[in-house]
Amino acid sequence: AQRVTQPEKLLSVFKGAPVELKCNYSYSGSPELFWYVQYSRQRLQLLLRHISRESIKGFTADLNKGETSFHLKKPFAQEEDSAMYYCALWGGSEKLVFGKGTKLTVNP
Amino acid sequence: DAGVTQSPTHLIKTRGQQVTLRCSPKSGHDTVSWYQQALGQGPQFIFQYYEEEERQRGNFPDRFSGHQFPNYSSELNVNALLLGDSALYLCASSAGTGLFGETQYFGPGTRLLVL
Repeated sequence: AQRVTQPEKLLSVFKGAPVELKCNYSYSGSPELFWYVQYSRQRLQLLLRHISRESIKGFTADLNKGETSFHLKKPFAQEEDSAMYYCALWGGSEKLVFGKGTKLTVNP
Repeated sequence: DAGVTQSPTHLIKTRGQQVTLRCSPKSGHDTVSWYQQALGQGPQFIFQYYEEEERQRGNFPDRFSGHQFPNYSSELNVNALLLGDSALYLCASSAGTGLFGETQYFGPGTRLLVL
């Protein structure tokens, strides 16, 4: 079965510092990976997907098949980036599997 | 456009009962996906409906069933409720092509408590 691991439950950085939210996956096939974000008191939203190779709100994520990782990165964190971030993988019998999430706090 | 709407916002049921949750997609969207999110956990994919048919399904028992209507709105039905079915149920809509189209829009969720 596929599995998504987000090793950090909480992550705290200062404004302007680089941020990296880790995501590791376990899946024998060719995965499709996503990052979702939920800001405080807002709805869950799709942030980006690896097939799009896009940068959204300054965030990027690169699929590393060798390390089975899909880390989310931003060179300069902003206070408005504070949110809960979920990594998700599409594939296998469970179809879309989410990690447990990382709560990012960007301090002023 | 109110975006994705869900009803009711919350409800309480007892074990063994049945429940129906409703979702109206964002205007112009024809695909609806349902998720279950237990407290402190990430969401879990239940199923996705497109053109009134179940297009994809996660690892949920047959007690979980759904329906999509010609106007693209959708229902999630859960029979024989268990305590473990207590969760936030999210609906998301997207437009046709590919897995989630260009993007997904989520509803606010329905919080179900099973006693």
